Amino acid sequence: DTEVTQTPKHLVMGMTNKKSLKCEQHMGHRAMYWYKQKAKKPPELMFVYSYEKLSINESVPSRFSPECPNSSLLNLHLHALQPEDSALYLCASSQEARSTLEAFFGQGTRLTVV
Amino acid sequence: GENVEQHPSTLSVQEGDSAVIKCTYSDSASNYFPWYKQELGKRPQLIIDIRSNVGEKKDQRIAVTLNKTAKHFSLHITETQPEDSAVYFCAAPQTNTGNQFYFGTGTSLTVIP
Repeated sequence: DTEVTQTPKHLVMGMTNKKSLKCEQHMGHRAMYWYKQKAKKPPELMFVYSYEKLSINESVPSRFSPECPNSSLLNLHLHALQPEDSALYLCASSQEARSTLEAFFGQGTRLTVV
Repeated sequence: GENVEQHPSTLSVQEGDSAVIKCTYSDSASNYFPWYKQELGKRPQLIIDIRSNVGEKKDQRIAVTLNKTAKHFSLHITETQPEDSAVYFCAAPQTNTGNQFYFGTGTSLTVIP
């Protein structure tokens, strides 16, 4: 199984809502990542988890809250988002959090904040 | 993050012609350089990568060359086909954090049948 699975595929939420994005992999990877991608732009790194511990937070606003309950799961909790947070949110994983290893991407969650 | 410049931002070629995309990076300690292809509405997928101990790597119609002295690497696609149309991203690691690579700005490739 070389898949990274993200749910939901699409999400529309109001600015006062609370929602969560989920990511799952069963490749035994110990590093997982959240990226944000706006249209016609490259993916921007948000968070890196290594062995279930947060190792990088790229100055992401606190309305985005990551969680890694175990080595296979990664969540992104959303609260009080702004319309400019609308984007494709990509999860990725790799064997370890070293920048010399291939990262596998999920298909993304397309988020619209209204 | 790592400063990764990618050129051109858009590229149109006739089917059967070659396409070349170039990236430059700033961290001289970088040692892994992947290329990702992203089709419209889909996830980025690794198509080829190269490590700093080799200068060139080839996989069928796709090749990547690396010049560590000049700190640039290039993606070469030969005999282009319409299905090669996509956005291509290079990436290079930020070695002082050691944890992740940063993407170039992307090249939108259109192959005209």
